[in-house]
Amino acid sequence: DAKTTQPTSMDCAEGRAANLPCNHSTISGNEYVYWYRQIHSQGPQYIIHGLKNNETNEMASLIITEDRKSSTLILPHATLRDTAVYYCIVRVVRSGGGADGLTFGKGTHLIIQP
Amino acid sequence: EAGVAQSPRYKIIEKRQSVAFWCNPISGHATLYWYQQILGQGPKLLIQFQNNGVVDDSQLPKDRFSAERLKGVDSTLKIQPAKLEDSAVYLCASILFSGGITEAFFGQGTRLTVV
Repeated sequence: DAKTTQPTSMDCAEGRAANLPCNHSTISGNEYVYWYRQIHSQGPQYIIHGLKNNETNEMASLIITEDRKSSTLILPHATLRDTAVYYCIVRVVRSGGGADGLTFGKGTHLIIQP
Repeated sequence: EAGVAQSPRYKIIEKRQSVAFWCNPISGHATLYWYQQILGQGPKLLIQFQNNGVVDDSQLPKDRFSAERLKGVDSTLKIQPAKLEDSAVYLCASILFSGGITEAFFGQGTRLTVV
């Protein structure tokens, strides 16, 4: 799987949009971008994923650049409960599924300030 | 839908003792992963199961770690003998594949302290 680069930490004011960047310059055509987050003392939680189009769900939006070498996770109205470590992961899509492990980096520690 | 169950939640043992962690994944999920997460780091994948078979255990320190999933449902991860550096949170992930997309559901983990 391609490696990703994320800032170590970021701050954001409560109520504002939190924009978390991720660089994945070596991503290949069959690799998806996944985002997970881990709140203190809990297991990681799936947020969103995408291939090349921008995606939105009830939790967040994912913006992927046209060349797919970077992406941004957007939390539109951050709350204190969004304080967590956010992981950007790229991984190959395999037809029929199959056991292909998710490889986590160090992620970005997002701190929402009141 | 019930989540991923892990037990115990916390465990403290002395070095050279043995310990076992249990995981019950989401019903119907054939794939299960075990991760080790040392404080301040991201989770590190230890072993992958597909039903009751091991798909990849290349990151598992096999001299002291073992894992099994005998009936293709719940799984056990064992450490024997434990070392100080094994202090970590051990996470179990239940994997859903849908249309080629992977979504991992994690348990709360077992926090192991080796003293």
